[in-house]
Amino acid sequence: EVQVLESGGGLVQPGESLRLSCAASGFTFSSYAMSWVRQAPGKGLEWVSGISGSGGNTYYADSVKGRFTISRDNSENTLYLQMNSLRAEDTAVYYCAKHPTGHWCFDLWGRGTLVTVSS
Amino acid sequence: EIVMTQSPATLSVSPGERATLSCRASQSVSKLAWYQQKPGQAPRLLIYGASTRATGIPARFSGSGSGTEFTLTISSLQSEDFAVYYCQHYNNWPLTFGGGTKVEIK
Repeated sequence: EVQVLESGGGLVQPGESLRLSCAASGFTFSSYAMSWVRQAPGKGLEWVSGISGSGGNTYYADSVKGRFTISRDNSENTLYLQMNSLRAEDTAVYYCAKHPTGHWCFDLWGRGTLVTVSS
Repeated sequence: EIVMTQSPATLSVSPGERATLSCRASQSVSKLAWYQQKPGQAPRLLIYGASTRATGIPARFSGSGSGTEFTLTISSLQSEDFAVYYCQHYNNWPLTFGGGTKVEIK
């Protein structure tokens, strides 16, 4: 079955760090670009960061640039998001999402993992 | 950054009726997608390239438009279609979404 499964969410205090993981299965992971998309409680969707299939190109929303780092391990079929200096406004469900070949839309989504930043 | 604006925010429609959702881009785009999201679920890709249905998407969903004005049409609403719909451009970075249109039962 083609799927992605996120993990690593939780409750952290402002200023702390957290690393999210996304395990992919059922497709050739290294052939596809991937992204993280988040959704604050009761709000809309916000793209956070993307990475090419090889990992050589990375992209960030201005809201997380300099604080978050996206990476991937193609030998382990896993995508990561290292989140540092977390703020209350980073509280959201974080989705891992796959891009189809040739398009930067999202054709496969995980169930999401909740990150709560609160003191 | 390209700003995507969706209207209306909420659309009340009776089952079997047609629903027309709008998405406007702050500058011309050629690459646009539509998603459906139900409560407690991840989004699902409906349309990409403005008008191409994704795999497994019923023919009652259609996308149209170009430049700055795009439309998602649901020809005859089924009970499972009541949800929130988002548009997203992917012309350049950053990728951005519209604020969503909630389609509710009238």
